[in-house]
Amino acid sequence: QVHLVQSGTEVKKPGASVKVSCKASGYSFSDYWVQWVRQAPGQGLEWVGRINPKSGGRTYALKFQGRVTMSTDTSITTAYMDLNGLRSDDTAIYYCVRSSDSWDFDYWGQGTLVTVSS
Amino acid sequence: DIVMTQSPLSLPVTPGEAAAISCRSSESLLYSNGNTHLNWYLQKPGQSPQLLIYLTSYRASGVPDRFSGSGSGTDFTLKISTVGAEDVGVYYCMQGLQTPHTFGQGTKLEIK
Repeated sequence: QVHLVQSGTEVKKPGASVKVSCKASGYSFSDYWVQWVRQAPGQGLEWVGRINPKSGGRTYALKFQGRVTMSTDTSITTAYMDLNGLRSDDTAIYYCVRSSDSWDFDYWGQGTLVTVSS
Repeated sequence: DIVMTQSPLSLPVTPGEAAAISCRSSESLLYSNGNTHLNWYLQKPGQSPQLLIYLTSYRASGVPDRFSGSGSGTDFTLKISTVGAEDVGVYYCMQGLQTPHTFGQGTKLEIK
């Protein structure tokens, strides 16, 4: 079955960078988009961006452009999200999510808590 | 950006009763191929969100048939025919028509 397993909790200082990984299994990795969604403590869901592992095509939410980089390594079916210039309001759980071209967001990783604190 | 607005934000329900959540989008979610890109998710306490409904009315794999989605254009509804304790959590609608994909604020369903 489909699994998305993310890397562990991160604690970073303001201005630092974080790289979150998402290991996919149970499906053809290149045939689905990988989306990234975040959730600040006690808050709702916010879309960060997406990447197509086959084409490498990426789209980022405007508020993250210039700070976020998404990538994939198809040889190990893993997606990555790099976020730099961390601020306290980047403290959130970051989820990787599989989606088809119907944008269904059907399988979610377990989430990675990123805490930004001095 | 498309703004998604849910109501109510809090929904106390007696077990066995029906429940409905409304979601409105600031623009039509109808795509040129006839698909309407509105999805529903449930986030149970302490868990990742899970897909319930995609393309307005299609139940995701393994989702009980007591969940149903309907609507068109800018107005959508998620209905639960018989609420159980396992349905507690926060329900989100999301538009998949265009980026940035945007979510509603969430509706917290609790058992009375």
